Order: sequence, then structure tokens, then C-alpha cells
Amino acid sequence: AQKITQTQPGMFVQEKEAVTLDCTYDTSDQSYGLFWYKQPSSGEMIFLIYQGSYDEQNATEGRYSLNFQKARKSANLVISASQLGDSAMYFCAMREAYNNAGNMLTFGGGTRLMVKP
Amino acid sequence: DTGVSQNPRHKITKRGQNVTFRCDPISEHNRLYWYRQTLGQGPEFLTYFQNEAQLEKSRLLSDRFSAERPKGSFSTLEIQRTEQGDSAMYLCASSSAWESQETQYFGPGTRLLVL
Repeated sequence: AQKITQTQPGMFVQEKEAVTLDCTYDTSDQSYGLFWYKQPSSGEMIFLIYQGSYDEQNATEGRYSLNFQKARKSANLVISASQLGDSAMYFCAMREAYNNAGNMLTFGGGTRLMVKP
Repeated sequence: DTGVSQNPRHKITKRGQNVTFRCDPISEHNRLYWYRQTLGQGPEFLTYFQNEAQLEKSRLLSDRFSAERPKGSFSTLEIQRTEQGDSAMYLCASSSAWESQETQYFGPGTRLLVL
């Protein structure tokens, strides 16, 4: 089974509107972390936002917020007031059990977001 | 504070040749990771170092791949006898074990094309 599923291969959003990028995950661990990264065409992965499994509040970072629904195992990224520079690939990633063998990130397949002027 | 750097940014090689990539992590980060990303996919974990110790290797890391981090600072990833299937973006990331959420920060990647 896929550990991270991003069901939207591509999405369009009008500039200045909000958009939600979906992410569902699968883990049996109680302690895990969820990350969102942005990858522009240049290739660099840019960290956007983090949510810990024990965090009670949804994470927010500027225009980015994470809609964390633990029971549903979903961690959707919400981008408010989209800008042209938001056009990029977006990846959801998970880090499971925090130990010497488990610091790796598992990534989803990504969503390509295109912002229309 | 400079970010993660990787060299070279692009590499074109012929099948059967050896290639080596370098990653310089954020200076105070003690953990370093290598990932591989093929076109249209998310990155896949290859290997992980804590200081100079290589603590985890993916089954994706065949015998032709070797990674080192000799002094716990920069790291190298070598691919011997390259194959066309090795064509991918190779990403390096670093993190600090002392940071509570231990975010991994990525470099710009090395894009490899094997002809």
C-alpha cells in the first residue's frame, strides 16, 4: 500500500484564490511527522510546513496552513491568496518512528499546481 | 547561514562510466540524506548518515552505489558502471538531530543523464 497518496496530479487555481492540495497517509506508528515541500522547475525542494502527529493545532506558516485530520489520516495543504510564483510541484512527505533507521522521508507522487493570472 | 549545496548541478555521462557527486550540508547539521528522484515521481530515499556513520541504506542502493561522509561534514555519492536507468535527479538533504521537528533541508540537486 502507498504510504503517501496525493490524488491530484495537476490543479489550476486563479491568482488570489485559495487552493487545497490533498494528502492522505498510511502508518501504524503513533509518532510521526508530516511535511510539505514545494519544488519549482529549478528542482530544489523547498520546505513549507510541518505537522507533528501529537500537535493539537493545525500548523500555519504565512499563506500556508495544514488541515490535519488525524482520524482520517489526511494532511491537506491550503494555500491562501495564490500567487503566480506558487506554480510548482508540491510534495507531501512523512517521517515515521523516530529512531536510527527511521529518519527518512517517504514522499507522495506530487501535485502540479498552476496559478492562472 | 548558507543552505545545502550540491556539485555538479548537471552531469552527462556515457553508460559504463563512473560518476561522483558532492553534497555540502548546512554547517551545524549532523544528519545527511541522499534521495533519488525520477521524472514525474517523488524523491526516494537512498541512504542516511549521522555524523560520519552511514546508518541506513535503501534496497535501491545497489552494489554500484557507494556513499561516504568521511569527516561528518560533506558527503559524496559515487555510481560505478553507470546504466541508463541511473538517469535521475540526486538530491541531498541535511537536518539537525537537536531540532524538535528535524526538518530536512534540501540542496538544488544533481541532474544525471546517462547516454
